[in-house]
Amino acid sequence: DGGITQSPKYLFRKEGQNVTLSCEQNLNHDAMYWYRQDPGQGLRLIYYSQIVNDFQKGDIAEGYSVSREKKESFPLTVTSAQKNPTAFYLCASSAGKHNEQFFGPGTRLTVL
Amino acid sequence: RKEVEQDPGPFNVPEGATVAFNCTYSNSASQSFFWYRQDCRKEPKLLMSVYSSGNEDGRFTAQLNRASQYISLLIRDSKLSDSATYLCVVILPAYSGAGSYQLTFGKGTKLSVIP
Repeated sequence: DGGITQSPKYLFRKEGQNVTLSCEQNLNHDAMYWYRQDPGQGLRLIYYSQIVNDFQKGDIAEGYSVSREKKESFPLTVTSAQKNPTAFYLCASSAGKHNEQFFGPGTRLTVL
Repeated sequence: RKEVEQDPGPFNVPEGATVAFNCTYSNSASQSFFWYRQDCRKEPKLLMSVYSSGNEDGRFTAQLNRASQYISLLIRDSKLSDSATYLCVVILPAYSGAGSYQLTFGKGTKLSVIP
């Protein structure tokens, strides 16, 4: 089945630790995105990538890093520099920049 | 003015009612528009794209008004299963580099359909 997967579903980390969230898609989509959603809030764009080996900052990139070494994969690292990392993280992909995005099931990160 | 604005609701409507949501956007260069629904603690799922000519999918109708810079979603004959938060998405070219673009989600409008 084609789709986009994120793992793990729930993640707990101690303050000060870096953590990497996984995002994989087998839809053959060129573009991939990372969003953050806080309770009762809308989605905010962290990073996006239109093509392999290229990515651009979104609205709230500080404290995060990404890589796009393969078309299928777009991992997000939440670094210790991110002041409020506890949130629901959503990964998405699309065929192109004006195409609809498809979301993975999300990862709920809690920093203790 | 915020880039994308939605009435947060909640909209509480009885089953069978017709309900309409609006989403206004500030940048006239916006190019693509979508409606998503998001259930509690789940990922957003695409409901429909919004085309200039308007489009319909069963009980759902989406329209774009470029002159007034808003998109709308109409739900007819509401079902209990329509209860969710509805998000609008606007995509426009960004100016930070060739090929870059900016997409913005509204904060969503919460709909509760009551028996």
